[in-house]
Amino acid sequence: QVQLQESGPGLVKPSGTLSLTCAVSGGSISSSNWWSWVRQPPGKGLEWIGEIYHSGSTNYNPSLKSRVTISVDKSKNQFSLKLSSVTAADTAVYYCARKTGTDYGDYGDWYFDLWGRGTLVTVSS
Amino acid sequence: SYVLTQPPSVSVAPGKTARITCGGNNIGSKSVHWYQQKPGQAPVLVIYYDSDRPSGIPERFSGSNSGNTATLTISRVEAGDEADYYCQVWDSSSDHPMFGGGTKLTVL
Repeated sequence: QVQLQESGPGLVKPSGTLSLTCAVSGGSISSSNWWSWVRQPPGKGLEWIGEIYHSGSTNYNPSLKSRVTISVDKSKNQFSLKLSSVTAADTAVYYCARKTGTDYGDYGDWYFDLWGRGTLVTVSS
Repeated sequence: SYVLTQPPSVSVAPGKTARITCGGNNIGSKSVHWYQQKPGQAPVLVIYYDSDRPSGIPERFSGSNSGNTATLTISRVEAGDEADYYCQVWDSSSDHPMFGGGTKLTVL
C-alpha cells in the first residue's frame, strides 16, 4: 500500500528557507493524483499550503503563494516543499498528503485519503 | 473564501452518541469530508462525500449534510474515539480546500 514519509531539517533560522521532501513508497507519484502539503501550527488547525501533479502543474494557497515552491522528482518518486522568508509563525507540523476525489471538468470535489506522519519544523535562531 | 464553523469542543459519555457539527453557507450543496486526529498523529479520513466510510472505519461513524450544517455522528462512543475532528470542503471558487477549525471530542 502507498505510504508517504516527510523528511527535512527540524530547525530553520528566521528569514531562511524551509525545505522538506515527501517520499512516496508502494506506488507511483505519476498516478492520477495530486500531491499536497498541509501544515498545522502547534495547538491549531490545518492549513493547506499547495499541491502538485506529476506533470509539474501546481496550485498554491494565495496567502502563502509568494513564498512557496512545490516541485516533483519523478525519478525519485518524491515531491518537495520550499517556503522562503520564514518567521516564527511558520513553526508547524508539516504533512504531505494525497488528494483524491472526482473531477467534474469545470470543478472538482477533492479530499485527502492518505497522509504522511508529519514532521515538526521550528523556526528559531 | 468559504468559512466552515465547528464547535471547539464536544463531550460525551462512553456508549452514548456524539454529534459534531460543521456549519457553512449552503454547505448542503457541497461535499463534506471528515478527519480524525489523535494527539501526536496525522489526520485520518473517517468520512468522505458526506456519508461514505473508507475501509477500516467502523460503522459507528456516519455523516449527514443538509442546509447550512453537516454533521459527523459517532454512535456507541468509545474512549479511543477521543480526538480532534476536522471537516473539509473543496472551495470551487478558489480551487483549494477549506478546513473547519476543529472540534475536540472528549469522552467523559
